[in-house]
Amino acid sequence: GQQVMQIPQYQHVQEGEDFTTYCNSSTTLSNIQWYKQRPGGHPVFLIQLVKSGEVKKQKRLTFQFGEAKKNSSLHITATQTTDVGTYFCAGRGNEKLTFGTGTRLTIIP
Amino acid sequence: DSGVTQTPKHLITATGQRVTLRCSPRSGDLSVYWYQQSLDQGLQFLIQYYNGEERAKGNILERFSAQQFPDLHSELNLSSLELGDSALYFCASSVVAGTHYTQYFGPGTRLTVL
Repeated sequence: GQQVMQIPQYQHVQEGEDFTTYCNSSTTLSNIQWYKQRPGGHPVFLIQLVKSGEVKKQKRLTFQFGEAKKNSSLHITATQTTDVGTYFCAGRGNEKLTFGTGTRLTIIP
Repeated sequence: DSGVTQTPKHLITATGQRVTLRCSPRSGDLSVYWYQQSLDQGLQFLIQYYNGEERAKGNILERFSAQQFPDLHSELNLSSLELGDSALYFCASSVVAGTHYTQYFGPGTRLTVL
């Protein structure tokens, strides 16, 4: 079945440093979504990418969908304490949305 | 607030027991999804319903079952509970319009099996 892996599993960064998480699928995806889950909270939708090679920005967050539509990345520039949480990618193939394993981001003030 | 409600917020029970988790989707959403999140784990997809019918199945155990009612709320039934079933159970809903849809998650039910 479809598998979606994310690396790294954990990332600790100094406040102000950049952060990147990578998402890789075993199969080609029709689209990919990114979610953020704050500690003690529930996943919240951030963005969806559909087109091959698509790049979208939300303030300090940059999302990219690979040319082959099998990988994606989320880059945060100049992290802030509000960026703390676990970031999940979720790839859609067939009818199901498969969530990645998540990257837990910790910010060191 | 996503508009998805889940009850109860917390549930503590004993091994061998049966519990029911309830979810009300956002107004207008026809699809409901159930996920299990164990400690420090990712989101494991359990099952999806669309307008009352089962649409997709994930890693759902035979001891677990779910249904979606005519008013679109959904219930997840967990029986013969084991210690390993302790987890956060999330419900999510979506409109399911074409191939592009966003899932809106509820606050979750934290199940503790003692």
